[in-house]
Amino acid sequence: EAGVAQSPRYKIIEKRQSVAFWCNPISGHATLYWYQQILGQGPKLLIQFQNNGVVDDSQLPKDRFSAERLKGVDSTLKIQPAKLEDSAVYLCASSAVAGGPGGIQYFGAGTRLSVL
Amino acid sequence: GIQVEQSPPDLILQEGANSTLRCNFSDSVNNLQWFHQNPWGQLINLFYIPSGTKQNGRLSATTVATERYSLLYISSSQTTDSGVYFCAVFLFRAGTALIFGKGTTLSVSS
Repeated sequence: EAGVAQSPRYKIIEKRQSVAFWCNPISGHATLYWYQQILGQGPKLLIQFQNNGVVDDSQLPKDRFSAERLKGVDSTLKIQPAKLEDSAVYLCASSAVAGGPGGIQYFGAGTRLSVL
Repeated sequence: GIQVEQSPPDLILQEGANSTLRCNFSDSVNNLQWFHQNPWGQLINLFYIPSGTKQNGRLSATTVATERYSLLYISSSQTTDSGVYFCAVFLFRAGTALIFGKGTTLSVSS
């Protein structure tokens, strides 16, 4: 079974530029999460999708971050314009359902973003 | 919100030693997962264990939900066990996104 795919693996941009990350969840997984992991900390939720609808985006900095999950499969996360403090690893996770034994979350390898 | 505390923050072991990592959480939870983040940043699922005990090879985990803690045991450690170990939980009424502790950084030397 293929895991969660993310691209690119690394990205270096200058502040005020824009950047986009892509995630393809495990086939059949209805729930998709984007997490941000700053160096030395645990991942923190940015946004959660159930199929193609947003369940929780309360911690997404909406003035600069946006995300979509068209057709309930792939998802993209965009930052525009980037700030220095956006340097982090962006992790995508998926689960078959939201919660319970079927709600085990599986993570992709992440995209490491450096903003200069 | 739910607080997750992990201890110790850092652990240095010689190959072959055993270790116990602890995760305390501040509220009853519906999901608890242990992860290993390898040096390349990949989060690898170790256990889904909201309660009870599970074992997988040299690793085992126990969650005592009523006392709000979980333990991860690593026996006969190997250099490949090095990395950061995270405990993560959620409570349905607060959403199903995982809330992570700060992790335990394990270094195993040969």
